[in-house]
Amino acid sequence: SQTIHQWPATLVQPVGSPLSLECTVEGTSNPNLYWYRQAAGRGLQLLFYSVGIGQISSEVPQNLSASRPQDRQFILSSKKLLLSDSGFYLCAWSGLAGRADTQYFGPGTRLTVL
Amino acid sequence: GENVEQHPSTLSVQEGDSAVIKCTYSDSASNYFPWYKQELGKGPQLIIDIRSNVGEKKDQRIAVTLNKTAKHFSLHITETQPEDSAVYFCAASTSNTGNQFYFGTGTSLTVIP
Repeated sequence: SQTIHQWPATLVQPVGSPLSLECTVEGTSNPNLYWYRQAAGRGLQLLFYSVGIGQISSEVPQNLSASRPQDRQFILSSKKLLLSDSGFYLCAWSGLAGRADTQYFGPGTRLTVL
Repeated sequence: GENVEQHPSTLSVQEGDSAVIKCTYSDSASNYFPWYKQELGKGPQLIIDIRSNVGEKKDQRIAVTLNKTAKHFSLHITETQPEDSAVYFCAASTSNTGNQFYFGTGTSLTVIP
């Protein structure tokens, strides 16, 4: 069966510090991968998605970047965090490129920027 | 692009009553409509989904209906229980390469014992 992991689970960082959040998927190959941000009490905002190694699409201009160094690894980064980067970050995966398919979410990372 | 609207934003029901959450979408090319349940501090979990070639799907106490002509779909929960309390999200997607989902803004459901 497939599983998706995110770490860390929680993170408190000062403004201006760097960020690296990691997401890995097990039990599948060549998944589509996604990063979402969820502000408190709000909906899901798609930040990035990737259909393959080194292929990243950005949905909104922002202070963040994403990379996919391996097939089942997706990393969300920032060089300098802003207060507005606080939120709940969710990674998700789906299979069957070219077909609308279920996205499965990880447990999330709660980021607080102070 | 696709725009998904979800109503109501909050919903309170008595235990045992039914709950209905409605979503509308704008892109007629959308053909996949999942529903997610999110408990506090956790990632969303898929509870039911429906594709555009089906008008209704049921799984025990949960059902989803789809009206392609009117571009709306609904989640129905019968015999609600306190553990159904959570935030529910609808989404719409097309068969594009990235399988991008367009989410509604969520409904906070409270089931009162």
